Amino acid sequence: QVQLQESGPGLVKPSQTLSLTCTVSGGSISSGNYYWSWIRQHPGKGLEWIGYIFYSGSTYYNPTLKSRLTISVDTSKRQFSLKLRSVTAADTAVYYCARGLAATLLVYWGQGTLVTVSP
Amino acid sequence: QSVLTQPPSVSAAPGQKVTISCSGSSSNIEYNYVSWYQQLPGTAPKLLIYENNERPSGIPDRFSGSKSGTSATLGITGLQTGDEADYYCATWDSSLSAGVFGGGTKLTVL
Repeated sequence: QVQLQESGPGLVKPSQTLSLTCTVSGGSISSGNYYWSWIRQHPGKGLEWIGYIFYSGSTYYNPTLKSRLTISVDTSKRQFSLKLRSVTAADTAVYYCARGLAATLLVYWGQGTLVTVSP
Repeated sequence: QSVLTQPPSVSAAPGQKVTISCSGSSSNIEYNYVSWYQQLPGTAPKLLIYENNERPSGIPDRFSGSKSGTSATLGITGLQTGDEADYYCATWDSSLSAGVFGGGTKLTVL
């Protein structure tokens, strides 16, 4: 059974970089036509698509975040990561990682991790 | 403000049927597949429907999806109290070159 687990700091200061890692178990991260994705949910709000890294290494980002965002993969560790630079309070959210068969066909999800941006 | 519009809330009695709409445009729903997700309180979203009307293994046939033009619909029959959740539609937007989610619909089973 495929499982994903987000990890990273729960508190980030404004203007710093938010860094999260998603560890994948129960399946390979380097094979298969999978979209390794990030989604976030602001407190009490709906889901926001952040972006993905395809198994080939190509990436697609939400245009509203693109200038601050990097998604990368480390196949040796079975992990993929999100880095969001110059964060503000508006980036406070629960961040989910997911494995998809398409950009918005997300089959397996992590449990989510709350990241708060505060001084 | 999402490019996909869903009603904020719907409600129905146990055993009844409910539909949740998702309205988009020619740059998203009309020419791309729609997925639907169920998010129970305090949990991660769960895939309910993909490719407009397909159900993943383990999803009961009480859940169905359809699409016509620039709108998609999720249907749930035989409502149970355990169906109380937030429901989201999602698709690709070719103009934005990005995935998009609807704003979500809260289902209350009275």
